[in-house]
Amino acid sequence: EAGVTQFPSHSVIEKGQTVTLRCDPISGHDNLYWYRRVMGKEIKFLLHFVKESKQDESGMPNNRFLAERTGGTYSTLKVQPAELEDSGVYFCASSQVAGSGYTFGSGTRLTVV
Amino acid sequence: GENVEQHPSTLSVQEGDSAVIKCTYSDSASNYFPWYKQELGKRPQLIIDIRSNVGEKKDQRIAVTLNKTAKHFSLHITETQPEDSAVYFCAAPSRTGRRALTFGSGTRLQVQP
Repeated sequence: EAGVTQFPSHSVIEKGQTVTLRCDPISGHDNLYWYRRVMGKEIKFLLHFVKESKQDESGMPNNRFLAERTGGTYSTLKVQPAELEDSGVYFCASSQVAGSGYTFGSGTRLTVV
Repeated sequence: GENVEQHPSTLSVQEGDSAVIKCTYSDSASNYFPWYKQELGKRPQLIIDIRSNVGEKKDQRIAVTLNKTAKHFSLHITETQPEDSAVYFCAAPSRTGRRALTFGSGTRLQVQP
């Protein structure tokens, strides 16, 4: 089975620019999650989709972050405008059952300069 | 929601020794406790998990123990090898509200050859 795929693997952008990250979950996984790991700290929750609906977006840091999941398939996470503190590794994960059986993508390393 | 605390933040052991990492959680209704291993530059990968109806689970050199009364669970690695060096994360889901996993802050394990 194909795993969780994330694009791009790395992105370097200037402060104030826009970046869009993409995640393709495992086929058939209704649950899709976005997490962020900053500077070697914890893997911090951002939001959780069930199919195309946002189940929980309480971890989104502010309104510069916008996540979508078109038709309940792939998801995008847009940061606009990017700030220096947005730098980190953004992980996507998917699962069949909410809260268990996560498979992570390889992450997108975002650097804002 | 769930609050997960993990200790220690760093752990250095000699090859062949055992390593123990401990986590506590706050939501007494949590019933699933996975452990993830993240090697440098790679995705977090599930290495073992335990459900609340058992107190211990083993898989070769890795074991997890759960104490529901005290609300803590631990990862035990025996006969450590250099390839065990990585960052280990514990996690737990909340049964109410957020269903997504909440992760601990991570433990950097270094196995000295």
